[in-house]
Amino acid sequence: GNSVTQMEGPVTLSEEAFLTINCTYTATGYPSLFWYVQYPGEGLQLLLKATKADDKGSNKGFEATYRKETTSFHLEKGSVQVSDSAVYFCALSDTGNTPLVFGKGTRLSVIA
Amino acid sequence: GAGVSQSPSNKVTEKGKDVELRCDPISGHTALYWYRQSLGQGLEFLIYFQGNSAPDKSGLPSDRFSAERTGGSVSTLTIQRTQQEDSAVYLCASSFVAGGQGDTQYFGPGTRLTVL
Repeated sequence: GNSVTQMEGPVTLSEEAFLTINCTYTATGYPSLFWYVQYPGEGLQLLLKATKADDKGSNKGFEATYRKETTSFHLEKGSVQVSDSAVYFCALSDTGNTPLVFGKGTRLSVIA
Repeated sequence: GAGVSQSPSNKVTEKGKDVELRCDPISGHTALYWYRQSLGQGLEFLIYFQGNSAPDKSGLPSDRFSAERTGGSVSTLTIQRTQQEDSAVYLCASSFVAGGQGDTQYFGPGTRLTVL
């Protein structure tokens, strides 16, 4: 079956540091890939998505590129801020209208 | 426009009682999903409704769990004879589906269920 594996947290970074959160997937076919973010005390929000190979999703300074050859969708940000502290979830959907399969989440803490 | 709403935001119940959780999806969204978020299990899919098709119940953990969607809009998740392991945050999401291809799933704030 489909699955998503993302790096274990927690991750603690200083402000303005470079962030990478690794995500790899196993799926049949060509899934859509997503990063969702959950800020403290809030619900899940879509951060970015990519629907086909080599697509790059980007939002709020975060980027992730759909790499079919390595089945990866790593999240990156060049300079993190304290306000980026949250839990980040990588997810996939078979066709875009099937249930999401989530990774276990990575907690990021950014300190000033 | 309005997002996905869920009620109640918090529910505390005693073991063995039944509970109902409600979800109001975004207007016009034909697909509705229920997920569960717990410390031990992460985010798990429970059940999926799409239009008038039979729901996909493959994620329901036991026959104590059921859900319905009335009029293609509001959905209710019912847990009968609650157990302590049912304690979790129950999340609802909706999306627009056209031509068999779905769009982004938008999540509600969740209902935190605590079973004493």
